[in-house]
Amino acid sequence: EPEVTQTPSHQVTQMGQEVILRCVPISNHLYFYWYRQILGQKVEFLVSFYNNEISEKSEIFDDQFSVERPDGSNFTLKIRSTKLEDSAMYFCASSEWAFAYEQYFGPGTRLTVT
Amino acid sequence: AQTVTQSQPEMSVQEAETVTLSCTYDTSESDYYLFWYKQPPSRQMILVIRQEAYKQQNATENRFSVNFQKAAKSFSLKISDSQLGDAAMYFCAYRSAGTSNTGNQFYFGTGTSLTVIP
Repeated sequence: EPEVTQTPSHQVTQMGQEVILRCVPISNHLYFYWYRQILGQKVEFLVSFYNNEISEKSEIFDDQFSVERPDGSNFTLKIRSTKLEDSAMYFCASSEWAFAYEQYFGPGTRLTVT
Repeated sequence: AQTVTQSQPEMSVQEAETVTLSCTYDTSESDYYLFWYKQPPSRQMILVIRQEAYKQQNATENRFSVNFQKAAKSFSLKISDSQLGDAAMYFCAYRSAGTSNTGNQFYFGTGTSLTVIP
């Protein structure tokens, strides 16, 4: 069964550094998402992406964040200058269409900012 | 804004027994979907069960069933005949039933960690 994959599984970075989290959505899916979960807190929506542009973003998704689909398979989340509070689990998800019942999630990337 | 609350951070159940995980939500919308996702350790979140708000009948998927109380904004998950493979983090989630390109993000609870005791 097709799966969403994410790399790396764990990323450790120093405050102020740039990180890129990578995701490979399911191949025939058109809508892509990033969520994050700070330890002990809720999984929160960051951004949705369709047709090579952002469809919607939350207030968390400020100028430090950007997303890109650099080729036909990868979907990336870049954090330009990481802060301690960016430490979280980041989940990528994809769906066939905007209002598909299900979003398929990847296993997550744990980002630790020191 | 929609909120989802899971008040049980941890639950445990004996193998073969039944356990119920609680979820409440808050919304002003009348049409929406509710989900339970399961996340085994270091694995993907996978969909367990889905409920459309317009349906009165509670959804059932094999050993998994829900008790959907729309007026009370409650959506609990019942796992019958619990198995060791059911051990995981369970997330309750809400999504609007819109048909546009926006407003389709999920709203999640904090999760309930389920332990199955052999």
